[in-house]
Amino acid sequence: NAGVTQTPKFRVLKTGQSMTLLCAQDMNHEYMYWYRQDPGMGLRLIHYSVGEGTTAKGEVPDGYNVSRLKKQNFLLGLESAAPSQTSVYFCASQGLAELYEQYFGPGTRLTVT
Amino acid sequence: AQTVTQSQPEMSVQEAETVTLSCTYDTSENNYYLFWYKQPPSRQMILVIRQEAYKQQNATENRFSVNFQKAAKSFSLKISDSQLGDTAMYFCAFMSPLYNQGGKLIFGQGTELSVKP
Repeated sequence: NAGVTQTPKFRVLKTGQSMTLLCAQDMNHEYMYWYRQDPGMGLRLIHYSVGEGTTAKGEVPDGYNVSRLKKQNFLLGLESAAPSQTSVYFCASQGLAELYEQYFGPGTRLTVT
Repeated sequence: AQTVTQSQPEMSVQEAETVTLSCTYDTSENNYYLFWYKQPPSRQMILVIRQEAYKQQNATENRFSVNFQKAAKSFSLKISDSQLGDTAMYFCAFMSPLYNQGGKLIFGQGTELSVKP
């Protein structure tokens, strides 16, 4: 049981490049989330999904797209990376049977130069 | 919209002593959940303690306890017998129920706690 995993752990991009972050969970959770963490700030929600095939915008969605084609995976895409997207990205999942506990992945550190 | 505020960017405490981290929040909802998360240098987010708003009794987990004041919208974390391993960033977080807004977590800015030997 790996819990929530994120790929990759580190990445450096140049401005304008694109990339996809992969989040995978093996707990059969319905809900999945993408957050970003910037220095001096708490985590902020980018996008989330309440089930396979559904996505919704969070607090800071601009510049990101997401997809949830399979229940266990939640992908976060950056189509044209900008330095303002330099951050640590966390994925989380939550099941209906959980007492409102979200399980977090280890994070991905992304630097855009 | 809900907001969470942690007014102490940094705190320090001597090993074995007690420290209290403050958190206030703003919401118009009556049913919600509050959390304290710990983030050590490894970056992993670790749930420390959870409080359901409908419960009047304050939550406790071993050395960790909360003081939940619903009317004042205050949710502080007390760490007793502080240990070196408690050194970390601590985040207060708010969540509406899953059926309302999809269980999104709203975090405070964090308090960096240093436990000194």
